[in-house]
Amino acid sequence: AQKITQTQPGMFVQEKEAVTLDCTYDTSDPSYGLFWYKQPSSGEMIFLIYQGSYDQQNATEGRYSLNFQKARKSANLVISASQLGDSAMYFCAMRGVYNAGNNRKLIWGLGTSLAVNP
Amino acid sequence: EAQVTQNPRYLITVTGKKLTVTCSQNMNHEYMSWYRQDPGLGLRQIYYSMNVEVTDKGDVPEGYKVSRKEKRNFPLILESPSPNQTSLYFCASSLDLAGGPSDTQYFGPGTRLTVL
Repeated sequence: AQKITQTQPGMFVQEKEAVTLDCTYDTSDPSYGLFWYKQPSSGEMIFLIYQGSYDQQNATEGRYSLNFQKARKSANLVISASQLGDSAMYFCAMRGVYNAGNNRKLIWGLGTSLAVNP
Repeated sequence: EAQVTQNPRYLITVTGKKLTVTCSQNMNHEYMSWYRQDPGLGLRQIYYSMNVEVTDKGDVPEGYKVSRKEKRNFPLILESPSPNQTSLYFCASSLDLAGGPSDTQYFGPGTRLTVL
């Protein structure tokens, strides 16, 4: 069965510093996608970054980058130059291709709460 | 602006009173899905739809109904709400089923439902 583990319930970071949020996954699917979402206190779910299992390069989107280590089954999110507005819950999610069939259901971790200190 | 909209954003109701949460996307996405988010349980899929008139159950479909008569709309219906359906509900959509980045799901703003 597919599973996402986020081992850090809460993290603190100083403004302008970089922070890494951990995500490990388990799947038997040879092809899969990994996603990170941000959920601020207002509640909406905001897509941040995508990494495909066959992508040769680590994904980057502005201040967000993904440290993808396929052999270790980890997909850590790196936020550079943290800002106060980065304070939120961060969720790692995975979607299999073959095992999921036609259902593009996302498998979710339980999230990491990030607090950015001024 | 490309977006997924949900209404209402907040709803307090009583046990047994039928309600509908609307979801609409303006991105011509084929795939749509409903999730509920509960503390300690994360997000769980309720129903999904691959295209018009094609819907199927997710992990927690009991007590919910959906329909997909038009591509853009995917309403969630609670025929007889109960207190255990108190939750934060999200509608999501993605472009297609081809795999890769086009599978990225974009979420609506969420609907906070309280059933008394």
